[in-house]
Amino acid sequence: QSALTQPASVSGSPGQSITISCAGTSSDVGGYNYVSWYQHHPGKAPKLMIYDVSNRPSGVSNRFSGSKSGNTASLTISGLQAEDEADYYCSSYTSSSTLYVFGTGTKVTVL
Amino acid sequence: QVQLVETGGGVVQPGKSLRLSCVASGFTFSSYGMYWVRQAPGKGLEWVAVIWYDGSNKYYADSVKGRFTISRDNSKNTLYLQMNSLRAEDTAVYYCARDLCGGSCYSNDYWGQGTLVTVSS
Repeated sequence: QSALTQPASVSGSPGQSITISCAGTSSDVGGYNYVSWYQHHPGKAPKLMIYDVSNRPSGVSNRFSGSKSGNTASLTISGLQAEDEADYYCSSYTSSSTLYVFGTGTKVTVL
Repeated sequence: QVQLVETGGGVVQPGKSLRLSCVASGFTFSSYGMYWVRQAPGKGLEWVAVIWYDGSNKYYADSVKGRFTISRDNSKNTLYLQMNSLRAEDTAVYYCARDLCGGSCYSNDYWGQGTLVTVSS
């Protein structure tokens, strides 16, 4: 099972909006609504930002939103802030024998 | 509050074995599926294994299948990862993480701080 494909890096200025894509196949992203997004600051525990494509856990800022179209999911961060600078990973259920797969990861830089 | 604490990491020679533990607190451990996820130096997150809340189902990444075994002791609120025939490419920080539900929600809402495993001669 190959990792889901994300851009290596995305950047934006404070206050801007950015979108991170997560490309999969009909066996994972496109076939099921089990897409999640995680924020990971180096040296810390990853944090769940979005689950089931577009749901935000309690306590996560509404500046973070998720969506899906076909085999590609997206995470949008609006009103970009310095604290948003981190690595972001998507994940999905997959109908392959391995059950679960992460994306390649995207480094978000706030200019 | 929910806490997950991993232990058992260290330096081990190729071909040897190591067992990681993850002690959970602050929630009903026996109601949730649990995952192991790793991150090799300079690399991204990689899912390793998952076990259902009652231990009835276990799944593994192809990269560890046949070498790693995930298990749990609900009476001790503890998750385990037995790692055998270790290879250099298993070097990583290993995180335990809680599923949103019994194992079939495929999303992890709480994570431990991780434990470092280094496979080197």
